[in-house]
Amino acid sequence: QSVLTQPPSASGTPGQGVTISCSGSSSNIGRNYVYWYQQLPGTAPKIVIYKTTHRPSGVPDRLSASKSGTSASLAVSGLRSEDEADYYCAVWDDSLSGPVFGGGTKLTVL
Amino acid sequence: EVQLVEAGGDAVQPGGSLRLSCEASGFIFSHYWMHWVRQAPGKGLVWVSRINSDGSNITYADFVKGRITISRDNARGIVYLQMNSLRVEDTATYYCARGMSGSPWFDPWGQGTPVTVSA
Repeated sequence: QSVLTQPPSASGTPGQGVTISCSGSSSNIGRNYVYWYQQLPGTAPKIVIYKTTHRPSGVPDRLSASKSGTSASLAVSGLRSEDEADYYCAVWDDSLSGPVFGGGTKLTVL
Repeated sequence: EVQLVEAGGDAVQPGGSLRLSCEASGFIFSHYWMHWVRQAPGKGLVWVSRINSDGSNITYADFVKGRITISRDNARGIVYLQMNSLRVEDTATYYCARGMSGSPWFDPWGQGTPVTVSA
C-alpha cells in the first residue's frame, strides 16, 4: 500500500489531454516538493518534473504539473504515442524521513 | 555523459546473499548522495536505501533494515548494496540513482540489475 495514491490507469487519444493525480498527506505533499518520473516500457525511470512544477531540459512543455494542498497532478497535453508509459509521483515524507513513491499510473494512448 | 551502471544481480535461494554494485561516471561522484530503488516484477517503485556523499549518513527503508548494507567507494566511484538473508519478496530489479539530501530527486538512474530469490 503506497503512501501516495495514484489511479492505476489513464488513457486518451492522440492530441487529447490527460491528467494524472497523486494524493498524499500533510506530512508529504502538503509540505514538500513533488517530483514525477516517466518509465517507458522496459527502461529505467526518468525524471520529467522536479520541485513540483519544473521541467528538466529536454522534457516537452506538453507536460506540466501542479499541487494543491495534499494533492498533486501531472498533465499531459497533445498526447502522442511516445507518452505511453508508467508515471510515478514522488515526495519526501517528513514522518517517514525518507522519499516515497506513488503506486504508478499506466498511461495508454489509444 | 552522466551514467550509472549496475551489476551483481543474480538468481539466489532464500536466505542467500548478493552484493550489487553501481559504477558512476561523468560527474563528481563524491559530491552526491546515492540511492537504491527497487521494482518488483509488474509493480511500482520502492525506495530502499540512501548514503550521503562521504558515507557518514545512511538510511534504510524499514522492510530491509538489518538485512541490507549500503556503502560507497568514492575513489572508485562505486556504490554497493550488500543484501543478506534474502527473501522471495526481495525479487525485483534494483536501480541505483544519483540523488540529493532530503529530496526524492533521482537523476539519472542506472539501467537496473535483476535479483531473483526462489527455491
